[in-house]
Amino acid sequence: AQTVTQSQPEMSVQEAETVTLSCTYDTSENNYYLFWYKQPPSRQMILVIRQEAYKQQNATENRFSVNFQKAAKSFSLKISDSQLGDTAMYFCAFRPSGGSNYKLTFGKGTLLTVNP
Amino acid sequence: DSGVTQTPKHLITATGQRVTLRCSPRSGDLSVYWYQQSLDQGLQFLIQYYNGEERAKGNILERFSAQQFPDLHSELNLSSLELGDSALYFCASSAAIQGGNTEAFFGQGTRLTVV
Repeated sequence: AQTVTQSQPEMSVQEAETVTLSCTYDTSENNYYLFWYKQPPSRQMILVIRQEAYKQQNATENRFSVNFQKAAKSFSLKISDSQLGDTAMYFCAFRPSGGSNYKLTFGKGTLLTVNP
Repeated sequence: DSGVTQTPKHLITATGQRVTLRCSPRSGDLSVYWYQQSLDQGLQFLIQYYNGEERAKGNILERFSAQQFPDLHSELNLSSLELGDSALYFCASSAAIQGGNTEAFFGQGTRLTVV
């Protein structure tokens, strides 16, 4: 079974600064996908960024980028130029890429507060 | 807007009762997933349907059941409700059943409060 661990229950950052959220996972799968989801106060689960395990290049989406270390089973999210609208709960998630086991396994989440 | 519609948005009911949560997936998506989000358990996968058939089961209680209809909408039935069933229930949909770079799109959830 896969497990996803987010060791930072809460973090805060000043507007315009950079923050990194940590995520580690455990799996015996070789091929899989990793995701960061954002859940603002509206409760909507919004996909922030996605990483395929077979790709060595780290994914980037505008101000969001990841540091994927497959050997260490680490998948951190870096948010640059933080904005007030980034305030939300962030969830790291894992999904195998093959077979019939395609459900998302989530970490417990990190509550990020961006301060003005 | 993700394109996934869940109704109702809020539901308050008494212990012992039965409720039905409804989900309409994005147009064209064949897979529907149900998740439960609670303070103590976090986001837990409950069950998945693909084109009307059950494909995967997670931590779903026997008091809970689900189905997917021919028009691809899905319903999650919760019975003999207990206080601990109070949670946010999400539905998600995706285009394919397995593999691939297939994103799961989430609805806005149904907030269930059992009193």
